[in-house]
Amino acid sequence: RKEVEQDPGPFNVPEGATVAFNCTYSNSASQSFFWYRQDCRKEPKLLMSVYSSGNEDGRFTAQLNRASQYISLLIRDSKLSDSATYLCVVNERGNSGYSTLTFGKGTMLLVSP
Amino acid sequence: DAGVIQSPRHEVTEMGQEVTLRCKPISGHDYLFWYRQTMMRGLELLIYFNNNVPIDDSGMPEDRFSAKMPNASFSTLKIQPSEPRDSAVYFCASSVGWINIQYFGAGTRLSVL
Repeated sequence: RKEVEQDPGPFNVPEGATVAFNCTYSNSASQSFFWYRQDCRKEPKLLMSVYSSGNEDGRFTAQLNRASQYISLLIRDSKLSDSATYLCVVNERGNSGYSTLTFGKGTMLLVSP
Repeated sequence: DAGVIQSPRHEVTEMGQEVTLRCKPISGHDYLFWYRQTMMRGLELLIYFNNNVPIDDSGMPEDRFSAKMPNASFSTLKIQPSEPRDSAVYFCASSVGWINIQYFGAGTRLSVL
């Protein structure tokens, strides 16, 4: 059974704060991990891939913990424009046996002035 | 590149009517995905194609749903007959390679009355 679990939030933080999201996945054989961002009434867009060694892109840091089967996203110095829903994405094996990307339901972030 | 193009952007129809959603993937992408997004269930994969061939349609909810990809630049998702519970946002996405970054279209917001 494929499962990618996220805390739906919302996470309410003031500008400048640091916020972290976690996401757990069920398939220990998963190899591909991503964070997508989805603005209200818009399509999901890739935020960053997640590599085994962890990776950073500006204010964003993604980490993978294979032993505990979770990935995390850290956002430093939050901006108002960071307000969005963050989707965790993992390759999982579906009911048919094919592996494909599975999206979590997302964590909503609200950054206030 | 124009990105993934979906049409129509909004569709309002009455129960029992046929609905056809259209998608043009990014040129050169060999995978095409159809998703449905609702508040309750999040983003669900319905079906995906590789080089125009359907690979996994296990996510298609019922026989009322069908999808085709007659060529590399066009795909359709058809619902016949439509029901109110089909109301959702339908996204098309494309990618280069199997488990890889997916690029989403703007979506079709479907309301079945």
